[in-house]
Amino acid sequence: EDKVVQSPLSLVVHEGDTVTLNCSYEVTNFRSLLWYKQEKKAPTFLFMLTSSGIEKKSGRLSSILDKKELFSILNITATQTGDSAVYLCAVGLHADKIIFGKGTRLHILP
Amino acid sequence: NAGVMQNPRHLVRRRGQEARLRCSPMKGHSHVYWYRQLPEEGLKFMVYLQKENIIDESGMPKERFSAEFPKEGPSILRIQQVVRGDSAAYFCASSAKGAYEQYFGPGTRLTVT
Repeated sequence: EDKVVQSPLSLVVHEGDTVTLNCSYEVTNFRSLLWYKQEKKAPTFLFMLTSSGIEKKSGRLSSILDKKELFSILNITATQTGDSAVYLCAVGLHADKIIFGKGTRLHILP
Repeated sequence: NAGVMQNPRHLVRRRGQEARLRCSPMKGHSHVYWYRQLPEEGLKFMVYLQKENIIDESGMPKERFSAEFPKEGPSILRIQQVVRGDSAAYFCASSAKGAYEQYFGPGTRLTVT
């Protein structure tokens, strides 16, 4: 059965800290790995990764994929209270299907 | 606003009634996906549709649930004879052909009383 596992399930840090969120997967027909940020509404797209070892960056967020070890990490540096959210990892499969992990709930203390 | 639209945003139904959830994809997107999210859980895939075709409904319960995406108009997720366990947030997402980036609507929060 295809599965996506995220860790930790929840994380509390202080503003300014750096956090690393983990995502491992076991799937057949891997096509891509995606990260989303979900606040109290719909998930918003952050990154799509398809190649190993190539870091994607957007401001203070960055992500990298390891297709040999079947995992990805999402880094957030110099965290701000606005980064508090649930971060969802998802894997795109053959035929455009996506399966999601349960998410990491990140809370940034001021 | 060319984003994904869902309505209603909140829907309350009594047990045994029908719930109809609507989703209009982003302009230019021909692929629609429905997900269910229970409290404290991740998004669970339900069904993937293109215009007039169901591509993958492996996440849909076999009974009471159906989905369509007609040639004209929004995609509809229908839940017949709702039960308390159907209470959840239902998200719709859309993507362009051949793209994996899905863009989500604001969701419909269904409460069954």
